Parts: sequence; C-alpha cells; structure tokens
Amino acid sequence: EPEVTQTPSHQVTQMGQEVILRCVPISNHLYFYWYRQILGQKVEFLVSFYNNEISEKSEIFDDQFSVERPDGSNFTLKIRSTKLEDSAMYFCASSGRGAEQYFGPGTRLTVT
Amino acid sequence: GQSLEQPSEVTAVEGAIVQINCTYQTSGFYGLSWYQQHDGGAPTFLSYNGLDGLEETGRFSSFLSRSDSYGYLLLQELQMKDSASYFCALMNAGNNRKLIWGLGTSLAVNP
Repeated sequence: EPEVTQTPSHQVTQMGQEVILRCVPISNHLYFYWYRQILGQKVEFLVSFYNNEISEKSEIFDDQFSVERPDGSNFTLKIRSTKLEDSAMYFCASSGRGAEQYFGPGTRLTVT
Repeated sequence: GQSLEQPSEVTAVEGAIVQINCTYQTSGFYGLSWYQQHDGGAPTFLSYNGLDGLEETGRFSSFLSRSDSYGYLLLQELQMKDSASYFCALMNAGNNRKLIWGLGTSLAVNP
C-alpha cells in the first residue's frame, strides 16, 4: 500500500540554524500539507500546497518557513533560523480527490 | 475563526461502546473528519462526514448535524488497541482543504 515517507525521523539542531524536513508524498496525490504538533497538544496546520503553489498558510508559517516541491516527488519544509518554540513533531500529509489525508510518520525536531 | 471542542478524556471497558462528541464553530467547511493517533504515531484517518447523517465503517461510525454544529464518533466492540487519542477536524472549503483540529480526546480502554 502506498505511504507517505519522511526523513529524518529525528532532527536535533541549535537555535538559529536552518533545517530542511523532507517528505515523499503518495505519487498520484494532488494536495500536500505540513502540520506540526507540539508534544501533548493538538495538530496545527502550517501550509497547504496544490497545483505547484502554496494554496494557504497559517499565521505560524511566517517568513522563516518555506516549502518546495523541487522534482515532482519530494516535498520539503525549510525553517531558516530555528527558534526554541519550533521544537515539535512535523507531519507531512497528502491527499487525492477524497477526504482522507495520509500522514507520514513525522519528523521530531528538537531545537536546543 | 474556526474552533472545535471535544472531551479531553474518556474511559471505557473492552467490548463496550463509546461516543466521542465534537462541537464546532465555523463559517464554512466541506465536512468533518475523525483521526486516530497512538502515542508517538501519525494521525490515521477513520471517517469523514460531508453530509449530515451517519457514516459507518466497520466498528467505527461517525455522525454530523450541520444545523446543530455537532458531530460524534462512535466506537463499538472496544478493544484494548483502541486506546489512543481521537481528533475531530474540520476540512476547510476551497482548494486548500486544510484540516483544523480539535484538541483531541484521550480514550483509555480497560480490561
């Protein structure tokens, strides 16, 4: 069964450093998302991507964040200058025409 | 804005039936989704209601009433493996189809 994959599973970085979180969505999907979840809290929407462009971004998704779909398979989230409060689990998801969003296993980002 | 409310914790015993309620406020949405998340894991899709009424998928059913801004997830024949967090989420109208999540309900299934 097709699945969304994410790398790395865990990333530790120092405050102010840049990180790139990588995702490979399900190949024939049309919609791509990044969500984050701070430990023990709810899932928060960051950004959605459709038709090769951002379709919506949340207020969390400020100028420090960017997304790319560079080669038609990978979908990346870049945080330019990490802050302590960026520590969270970051989930990539994709969906086709149906309602179901398929989530990757997540990348746990720890900013020290 | 959009917001969802659901109970923070529910406890039940194996074999029982449990209902997790979700009330919401929104100006427009496609439908209401339900996801399950085990500790440390990714959310997995359980059910979706685009229209009012009941949707049944095996042991899980979900209900939506747009006039009451209310939905619920019904879990039948509970098993220990059903112990997890359950989230209701509004699917946004429009091309982004983003999910706006509730805080989640932690379900503990006891023997």
